[in-house]
Amino acid sequence: DAGVTQSPTHLIKTRGQHVTLRCSPISGHKSVSWYQQVLGQGPQFIFQYYEKEERGRGNFPDRFSARQFPNYSSELNVNALLLGDSALYLCASSLRRLAGGPGNNEQFFGPGTRLTVL
Amino acid sequence: RKEVEQDPGPFNVPEGATVAFNCTYSNSASQSFFWYRQDCRKEPKLLMSVYSSGNEDGRFTAQLNRASQYISLLIRDSKLSDSATYLCVVNRGWYSGAGSYQLTFGKGTKLSVIP
Repeated sequence: DAGVTQSPTHLIKTRGQHVTLRCSPISGHKSVSWYQQVLGQGPQFIFQYYEKEERGRGNFPDRFSARQFPNYSSELNVNALLLGDSALYLCASSLRRLAGGPGNNEQFFGPGTRLTVL
Repeated sequence: RKEVEQDPGPFNVPEGATVAFNCTYSNSASQSFFWYRQDCRKEPKLLMSVYSSGNEDGRFTAQLNRASQYISLLIRDSKLSDSATYLCVVNRGWYSGAGSYQLTFGKGTKLSVIP
């Protein structure tokens, strides 16, 4: 079975531009989360979507938005790019929305999209 | 204070050594706890969940102390293939009812196992 897939793998943009990143979850998974990982730091939560609705939002400006489609794939959009948006953007899928008991709601990460803003 | 704090590292250890990673978290309402492993320029992968009773998976042992809000990971008989960054992860989601499954990551501790 295919894991979480993300596209594109790498992207170079300039300040002020807009970017759209895409994610396809593992088949059967209904929850998709987005994380930003700046070099030398751990991933930081941006959004979670479940059943096409936003279920959680991290401490990111309104320039960041996302949506989930009927097939559970997801897009992350970032407007008015800043140099500080340069990072690895990770998508993670899980079967459920809620934090269930141990071992039954693992999040599986995709390989990420490496965004460079010049 | 950061929500999840880890040993800054890096840790450089010889093959066969035992190495311990420590982590503290600030939100006492945290529900679930994990150790993830991240290889260079790769995505994080779940290494193991951490239970209050402590749990072991081969050479890896994880411990949780809810009273002290402290998590640990012990790696015995280190292998070259253990070289990676180890991320302490806490779930702030709700166990029941509406809520989000949000993972909060520490900064990570880099381990290099030397031949």
